[in-house]
Amino acid sequence: QQQVRQSPQSLTVWEGETAILNCSYEDSTFNYFPWYQQFPGEGPALLISIRSVSDKKEDGRFTIFFNKREKKLSLHITDSQPGDSATYFCAALPGTGSNRLTFGKGTKFSLIP
Amino acid sequence: AQTIHQWPVAEIKAVGSPLSLGCTIKGKSSPNLYWYWQATGGTLQQLFYSITVGQVESVVQLNLSASRPKDDQFILSTEKLLLSHSGFYLCAWSLGGADEQYFGPGTRLTVL
Repeated sequence: QQQVRQSPQSLTVWEGETAILNCSYEDSTFNYFPWYQQFPGEGPALLISIRSVSDKKEDGRFTIFFNKREKKLSLHITDSQPGDSATYFCAALPGTGSNRLTFGKGTKFSLIP
Repeated sequence: AQTIHQWPVAEIKAVGSPLSLGCTIKGKSSPNLYWYWQATGGTLQQLFYSITVGQVESVVQLNLSASRPKDDQFILSTEKLLLSHSGFYLCAWSLGGADEQYFGPGTRLTVL
């Protein structure tokens, strides 16, 4: 059972456009949601995260919008740059003291050259 | 200086051979440590975690084992490799809880 779902599987935009990456989850005990950015051949890097008590988190050109009622969140990348081309993973952690971080399958993001 | 070091960078091994992968954390006291596996082009699957020396919890059984012999060291091993063990192995650390996990550079394993 896929507990964290991401869409689309891949996304291509023009430089300067805003990209929207979607994530949804099923387990209502999830209360912490990090997004990771991974370049080919490297380990993932923590990009931005949000806790379920918030509905928005912003860090530069990256913003998370969170809808607890619908169990959905999205990562917005504004003014997309060539260096943003990477795979983005949404993950979720229960608020039960569990150490099990569950990842989605990722969205491969690239810019039109 | 890099906080997390994984070794080796890459391995090519035969089916049935043993394996030992390592991870060392520098400059962090009593971190939580994690092992993840990632198939090529796939998601990350948590394998093990450890919150203290000598204690390791298994999340997924993949005929692998893990040990934490020192506060700053985490070892992943098996006595007999399978083809399905191929992939990217990532070590991660966190402080005080399981959120804000930081990943190492990974070890690429190819089993032939």
